[in-house]
Amino acid sequence: QKEVEQNSGPLSVPEGAIASLNCTYSDRGSQSFFWYRQYSGKSPELIMSIYSNGDKEDGRFTAQLNKASQYVSLLIRDSQPSDSATYLCAVRDNNNDMRFGAGTRLTVKP
Amino acid sequence: DTGVSQDPRHKITKRGQNVTFRCDPISEHNRLYWYRQTLGQGPEFLTYFQNEAQLEKSRLLSDRFSAERPKGSFSTLEIQRTEQGDSAMYLCASSLASGIYSNQPQHFGDGTRLSIL
Repeated sequence: QKEVEQNSGPLSVPEGAIASLNCTYSDRGSQSFFWYRQYSGKSPELIMSIYSNGDKEDGRFTAQLNKASQYVSLLIRDSQPSDSATYLCAVRDNNNDMRFGAGTRLTVKP
Repeated sequence: DTGVSQDPRHKITKRGQNVTFRCDPISEHNRLYWYRQTLGQGPEFLTYFQNEAQLEKSRLLSDRFSAERPKGSFSTLEIQRTEQGDSAMYLCASSLASGIYSNQPQHFGDGTRLSIL
């Protein structure tokens, strides 16, 4: 039983478009949610964290959280080819354990 | 400000050999995690320490795997009698967890890529 689920993609968007990445989780008691970016052969790099329902914006990135639906998303505005990477959703559950999804591979085409 | 450091970056060894990896966390971080990642998958939790205490170990972790953090600073992960299925990227992460900072995210090192021949 997967605890954090993501569409594996690949998700392909043209340069300048909005990329929308989605994640669902099974532990209703989860409190902390994170998005990491991972380039091929590199380690995950933290992009966003979100703890409350609603939207959180940071530059071109917006994280959205809906705890009732157990859903968290990441929007990337004005997508750039350098955004091409795998995006990992991570959820810290009530036991303080961090669970990762398998990641969504994003390709931004020039 | 130095990040999480892992050594070595790559390790190639023959099946049956023992290997040891080292992780140096961000200096003020009291939590240290080990993960394993294979191609196309997210990081899989192996174990974590708060200071020198190993607080949790994955149920899926074979007893060939052992980790230590003797002084609450750097950590080592040892794999004994390696098998081909152990080939993966081994990632270390650290975070600060104390009271109101319990929600702090984890910061990853560059990983050690293990290849078993």
